[in-house]
Amino acid sequence: KAGVTQTPRYLIKTRGQQVTLSCSPISGHRSVSWYQQTPGQGLQFLFEYFSETQRNKGNFPGRFSGRQFSNSRSEMNVSTLELGDSALYLCASSRGQGADGYTFGSGTRLTVV
Amino acid sequence: GESVGLHLPTLSVQEGDNSIINCAYSNSASDYFIWYKQESGKGPQFIIDIRSNMDKRQGQRVTVLLNKTVKHLSLQIAATQPGDSAVYFCAENDSGYSTLTFGKGTMLLVSP
Repeated sequence: KAGVTQTPRYLIKTRGQQVTLSCSPISGHRSVSWYQQTPGQGLQFLFEYFSETQRNKGNFPGRFSGRQFSNSRSEMNVSTLELGDSALYLCASSRGQGADGYTFGSGTRLTVV
Repeated sequence: GESVGLHLPTLSVQEGDNSIINCAYSNSASDYFIWYKQESGKGPQFIIDIRSNMDKRQGQRVTVLLNKTVKHLSLQIAATQPGDSAVYFCAENDSGYSTLTFGKGTMLLVSP
């Protein structure tokens, strides 16, 4: 059974640019959640998508957005990148009822220079 | 790659010792709790979970204890091995939602 796949693994972007990250959930999982991980702030929830709809949202600025496709794959986008956006971005998928079966991908390491 | 453990409390133990990692949670409505292990360059990996109708749950070499009165979780690792060295996070969930709130994490260092 394939796990959660995130692409790319590493990205280097320049301040002001925008970036799109991709997440393919475990087959049959309909919920995809995104988290930002930094040494100072730990793991912080960005948003959750279920059946192509944003169901929950964390406390991040509007520069952070996402979407989910009909096959449950999800993308997140960060526009007008800032140095502070450098982080490990983690995606997790689950069946969508509570946190049962919550499984994380290996993340995308974004560095903004 | 950059470590996620730069600002974390650290627990250093000798191989073969028992380790106890503690976590305080914040939401009284949380009814599901998970411990994750994160190694460098990887995403969090599920270790063990517990629901709020239980006080204790055991897995292979790991035990989770839940004290709802003081909103406290602990993870006990028996006969700690060097391969257990990682950052450990507790996470809480209100089962009405599919989101997790994570604790700050503890770095476990196991010396041979």
